[in-house]
This record gives sequence, structure tokens and C-alpha cells, in this order.
Amino acid sequence: TQLLEQSPQFLSIQEGENLTVYCNSSSVFSSLQWYRQEPGEGPVLLVTVVTGGEVKKLKRLTFQFGDARKDSSLHITAAQPGDTGLYLCAGVGASGSRLTFGEGTQLTVNP
Amino acid sequence: EAGVAQSPRYKIIEKRQSVAFWCNPISGHATLYWYQQILGQGPKLLIQFQNNGVVDDSQLPKDRFSAERLKGVDSTLKIQPAKLEDSAVYLCASSLGWKRTEAFFGQGTRLTVV
Repeated sequence: TQLLEQSPQFLSIQEGENLTVYCNSSSVFSSLQWYRQEPGEGPVLLVTVVTGGEVKKLKRLTFQFGDARKDSSLHITAAQPGDTGLYLCAGVGASGSRLTFGEGTQLTVNP
Repeated sequence: EAGVAQSPRYKIIEKRQSVAFWCNPISGHATLYWYQQILGQGPKLLIQFQNNGVVDDSQLPKDRFSAERLKGVDSTLKIQPAKLEDSAVYLCASSLGWKRTEAFFGQGTRLTVV
């Protein structure tokens, strides 16, 4: 079983601060996805990273895939209350099928 | 484009009763997933279908859980008999398949077993 560990588990910050969420594994993934989930809803895809060392930017969010394709990070610049939610990373196995989720990072951005 | 549809949204049952959840994936999506999400945790894969065939059911408690995807479209997930620890949100997701694994999720069914 491929395990994904996310840290921190909980994060509470003030509006305008920067933050980084980490997703680590001992397994190699063919790609890695980041989702955000709000209460009462299903996760919504934010980005997919495929190539080792890849960096993708989505407005104030920056996603990075580790060179060895075992880890990833999500950096948010100048966080806003609308960024509040559960951030989940999910890895696609080398066979290209199973989508395994981490335990998530619960982010709260206070006004 | 319509999203993934799930029903019911909420269900409360007594332990040892049975329950069924329904999912209609996005049209044309070959891969369908059922996940169990316990409060405060990430989704845990229960079963994955590719069209109407099972790709992965290694984490499905087969003594009480079953799932089918007839004709490779809609899917149902059944629990019989339910236990207290089955209380969770059951999420259905679909993806195009064939290495297009970006998953689109339904709103989920919140199950409470009392």
C-alpha cells in the first residue's frame, strides 16, 4: 500500500500570511494531484503535477513535485479567508491506476 | 457538463441494517471510484472500476460491503449489515481513465449508523 503523509495536519493563520503544506511518501508516483475540500462537499481538483521537479502556479498557489516523484509541496502566498478548507494530496501509482489520498491538512485563514 | 451525482445525501440507519448508495458518474468517464471518508481523515479507496470491471477492491471489507457497476455506467455500493464504525461520508468519483486520473467527485452520502 502506498502511503502519503501530509504535514501539518492542522494550520491556523491570519489573513495575509504565507504557508506551505507538505506531502511525503516513500513510494514513487507517476503523478500527484492536489485537491481542496470544503465542508459538505467532495474534493475539487486544483492541479496535477507529472514531471519530477515540476513547478506549477495557480494564482497565489504554487505546487512543486519532488525530483524523485516521492513528495510534493503546496505554497500559498498572502492567504485569504476563502482559502480555508481541507487540502488533500493524492498520488497515482506507477501502474497508472490507483489514486491514493493523504490524510489532509485542515487550513483555517482568519480575517 | 453535469457532474457526478450521488444519492441519498444523508442516511441514518440502525446497526445491523442494510443500506445502499447510488452514483451516476460523468458521461464518458470509464473509471469510477468509491471512497470512504471518516471525519477528519482523507478519503480511503474502497473499490475502483474500469468500465464494468473491478480494478482494485483490496480495501473493501468484502464480508459486509459489495459494489457493482452494471453496463459500465451507474454504480451502487451496499453495506449489509452495517456497523457503528461504518459511519462516514461515502464519496463517488469518476475520471476519464486510461492514465487520465484527474478525479471528479460527487457531494457524497453522509451515513450515520446508530
